[in-house]
Amino acid sequence: QVQLQESGPGLVKPSETLSLTCSVSGGSMNSHYWSWIRQPPGKGLEWIGYVFYSGSTTYSPSLRSRFTISVDTSKKQFSLMLSSVTAADTAVYFCASLATADMSFDHWGQGILVTVSS
Amino acid sequence: DIVMTQSPDSLAVSLGERATINCKSSQNVLSTSNNKNYLAWYQQKPGQPPKLLIYWTSIRESGVPDRFSGSGSGTDFTLTISSLQAEDVAVYYCQQYDNTPPRYTFGQGTKLEIK
Repeated sequence: QVQLQESGPGLVKPSETLSLTCSVSGGSMNSHYWSWIRQPPGKGLEWIGYVFYSGSTTYSPSLRSRFTISVDTSKKQFSLMLSSVTAADTAVYFCASLATADMSFDHWGQGILVTVSS
Repeated sequence: DIVMTQSPDSLAVSLGERATINCKSSQNVLSTSNNKNYLAWYQQKPGQPPKLLIYWTSIRESGVPDRFSGSGSGTDFTLTISSLQAEDVAVYYCQQYDNTPPRYTFGQGTKLEIK
């Protein structure tokens, strides 16, 4: 059973870079696509992108320019970086495993609330 | 962009009664390569991450009670809870996958409450 846990700062200043890490346990890094999804307070879910164990990435066409997702298989972690943050980036950020066959997000981390504020 | 529209936005159902949530895609989610509809349903309770309920339109994830069922094809899909239990109070989301380019789009959510 895959388990995921996000870590990172809960507060980031405008124009700075947000960096989050997701630690994977209970599964193999080549079993899924490793994804990031965010949810602004009181709103719906927005897929950001994913990374495969090989390091190949795919991003949401509408979001890709400021996001970078990477993987470290030796540590069983994958990461999200978001540059030039604004208040609009305030959200709960979830890491999730994406099943490669049916393209559903079958395991999720608890989520981490990131607030962008000076 | 693909738009997933759920209806209704909120729903109140009596315990033991049927709850039905609809999801309409602006584009066909049927894959011509394997004839599968890439449509999933999630349940999110307050303060928790979403939980996968159903994938490929109608396949229940392991451990999901059989009162949850999914149906549909093409652009129109339905999640049905046959006999509402108190623990089913949550927000429900549909999600589609499109491969040109790869993207994953969620509906806006339907809030389900007890009447």
